[in-house]
Amino acid sequence: DSGVTQTPKHLITATGQRVTLRCSPRSGDLSVYWYQQSLDQGLQFLIQYYNGEERAKGNILERFSAQQFPDLHSELNLSSLELGDSALYFCASSPGLAPSKQFFGPGTRLTVL
Amino acid sequence: SQQGEEDPQALSIQEGENATMNCSYKTSINNLQWYRQNSGRGLVHLILIRSNEREKHSGRLRVTLDTSKKSSSLLITASRAADTASYFCATVPANQAGTALIFGKGTTLSVSS
Repeated sequence: DSGVTQTPKHLITATGQRVTLRCSPRSGDLSVYWYQQSLDQGLQFLIQYYNGEERAKGNILERFSAQQFPDLHSELNLSSLELGDSALYFCASSPGLAPSKQFFGPGTRLTVL
Repeated sequence: SQQGEEDPQALSIQEGENATMNCSYKTSINNLQWYRQNSGRGLVHLILIRSNEREKHSGRLRVTLDTSKKSSSLLITASRAADTASYFCATVPANQAGTALIFGKGTTLSVSS
């Protein structure tokens, strides 16, 4: 158990819909990362937050947004969903800004029908 | 975009044999990390090697890093059936905003008893 929790575990929705994925980082970790894993793109970094502020952006679509709240949990919002958004979405956390190892949650499997 | 490639894409060995996986990357790095993923579950950190280190050991794992060739290898000695998983190398590029991991495509290891 990494100490990172993600909800829900599975999500099935239709094209055009909007969903919210939730992540609680390991106790004390200030950095939260979101990654997407799909068969064709592999593991892709989406976005990083540190202590409530956006720190870095990766291959995140404009239809996707995220935030980190004062209690450090984070949410990833995916809107106008397309079939190609079906993937595993992972949240990870690390203690601070130093480039250290990351602790991954179990992921949310999103299926867009 | 992904940092590099793992080689081989898939590897099948018998219990007790050694498994070697290679990883190449494209840009200067702060550190390189190896993660394991069991069939679509969360990633587990295995080992981190900094750019000024050449070799690191952890239990049955040995990692080497050659920054001149931009490559790394992961050796698992005396493999067990429980080592069956996908293995990913991930880099933290130098001079990037944030500390996100950039993953390779992974090697799928199958260890049969």
